[in-house]
Amino acid sequence: DAGVTQSPTHLIKTRGQQVTLRCSPISGHKSVSWYQQVLGQGPQFIFQYYEKEERGRGNFPDRFSARQFPNYSSELNVNALLLGDSALYLCASSRPGTGEETQYFGPGTRLLVL
Amino acid sequence: AQSVSQHNHHVILSEAASLELGCNYSYGGTVNLFWYVQYPGQHLQLLLKYFSGDPLVKGIKGFEAEFIKSKFSFNLRKPSVQWSDTAEYFCARYNQGGKLIFGQGTELSVKP
Repeated sequence: DAGVTQSPTHLIKTRGQQVTLRCSPISGHKSVSWYQQVLGQGPQFIFQYYEKEERGRGNFPDRFSARQFPNYSSELNVNALLLGDSALYLCASSRPGTGEETQYFGPGTRLLVL
Repeated sequence: AQSVSQHNHHVILSEAASLELGCNYSYGGTVNLFWYVQYPGQHLQLLLKYFSGDPLVKGIKGFEAEFIKSKFSFNLRKPSVQWSDTAEYFCARYNQGGKLIFGQGTELSVKP
């Protein structure tokens, strides 16, 4: 079975630009979560979507937004990029409601803001 | 709010040495604990997880972890490490809002 896929793998942007990152979950997984991982730290939760509804939001500014599509894929958008947005953006998918919900991660998109 | 802390930032071992990485979680909420590993240049992979039952959990690649409720700990162990175990290891749990909360990570370097 295919795992979680993300695109693009790498991205270079300049301050003030906007970026869209994409994620496709594991087949059968209806929930997608987004995380930001800065070098030397653990991933930080940004958003979770389940059945196209926002299920949770982390402590990130409104410049960050996301959505989930009917096929359960998801996009993360970041507007007005800052240098501090440079990070590895991880997507994870899961199957809620099993009582032992486990998140499986994709390879990430490495974003560099210059 | 639930949290997770990892004691060691960087651990250096020789091959065949035994490994124990510490993880403590905060009191409260449903117990659900995970260890993930991030090999150089690769994505986060699930090593093992604990929700209930036998407190000694076996994972992939010879790793195991023990849930000790009285100590709020979920330490990761491996009897004999290999050079290929060089990676960053993360302990995690869900908070009450369903967000996965990660520790700061422990970088393991295994010398051949």
